[in-house]
Formats: sequence, C-alpha cells, structure tokens
Amino acid sequence: NAGVTQTPKFQVLKTGQSMTLQCAQDMNHEYMSWYRQDPGMGLRLIHYSVGAGITDQGEVPNGYNVSRSTTEDFPLRLLSAAPSQTSVYFCASSYPPGRNTEAFFGQGTRLTVV
Amino acid sequence: ELKVEQNPLFLSMQEGKNYTIYCNYSTTSDRLYWYRQDPGKSLESLFVLLSNGAVKQEGRLMASLDTKARLSTLHITAAVHDLSATYFCAVGRETSGSRLTFGEGTQLTVNP
Repeated sequence: NAGVTQTPKFQVLKTGQSMTLQCAQDMNHEYMSWYRQDPGMGLRLIHYSVGAGITDQGEVPNGYNVSRSTTEDFPLRLLSAAPSQTSVYFCASSYPPGRNTEAFFGQGTRLTVV
Repeated sequence: ELKVEQNPLFLSMQEGKNYTIYCNYSTTSDRLYWYRQDPGKSLESLFVLLSNGAVKQEGRLMASLDTKARLSTLHITAAVHDLSATYFCAVGRETSGSRLTFGEGTQLTVNP
C-alpha cells in the first residue's frame, strides 16, 4: 500500500516555465487537497477536490490549476511559474464524510523558481 | 474565516522537563489534529481529537480538546531529544475531509 505518492520530489524551474506536480493515492479516497508550506506560515490550502470531476479553490489558488479526472490522481499545474511560488508542496487525501476523515500526506515536492 | 493560532512558535527546552503547546481556533469545528514534522519530511499524524473533553496519549505526548474554549493543548512530559521537531495543529470538519486549516507550527528543540 503506497499511500499518497508525489512526484517529483525536487524541481527547479525558470520564471515563466510551466510544470505539473503529480499526486496519486491508492486508498480510494474521494477527498484530495494541495497545500503549500512556507517558512513561518504553516500549510495553506491551494485547491481541493471532493471527488472525480469536482474541484474548488482554497486559500491561495492564484497561479495554480487543478483537475480531477480519476479518483486516484489530482495533479497541480503551474502555468507560468513565479519566484513567489518557491515552496514545498504537499498533497493530502482522506475518506468522505461519515468515515475516518484523517488526512494522509504525501512526501512533498520542493519547488524552486529562479 | 477560520484562524488557528499556536503558541509558542519556538520552544527550547531541556531533557526531562515538561511543557505545553497551545492551539486556539476561531470558529466551531468538530475535529482537531496534531501533526509532527521533521526537517525535510512530510507530516506524521499524532492525534485526532473529535469531541469536547477528548484526551489522547502516546508515549510522552498527551493532547486534549476543549471545544467550548476552542483550545487544544499538546503536553510534553519529561522531554527527550527525539521529540525535537515542528508540531502543527490543524482544524477541520467531518465534511471537509483533507481540507484543513493549520496553525503556524511550534518548532521544538530539546537540548541534552
């Protein structure tokens, strides 16, 4: 059981480049989320999804797009990277309401935009 | 807007001492989480607190929840160096799944 898998683990981008951070889970969780972690600010929610085909914005969505075509995958896209997007990104997943909704986190992607 | 505040943000303590980390949140919630994070690592779940008065203990850590005061505490008993890490509290709802609001984190250093 792999849990929540994020790729890549490290990435350096130039300003203006685009890329996709991958997140996959094998626990059949309906709920998935993306967070960014910056020093001294804890984790902040970027986008989330309550099931395939359903996504919504979190606290800091600007500059990021998501889609959810399958239950397993929830990629995060940066269309035009900016230095302000240098951060550590975490993907999380959980069961739907009525069950244990403890969130499980991936190992993180450390992104540097130069 | 839900806000979660932890204090202290930095804590340096000696081995063998006791201390408490506080987590205050601003609006009603039905679950509170404590996570541990080691440098460069992901978040490790420590406790999930679901009801007023809930108390959970694991080793030298004990977490409690007072929903009326909107306060959770993480108590450290007889600290050891291995407990050095950053501790986060996070607040959510049963209906919010993995959509959580996090505190800023408490960076704990236990000195020999």
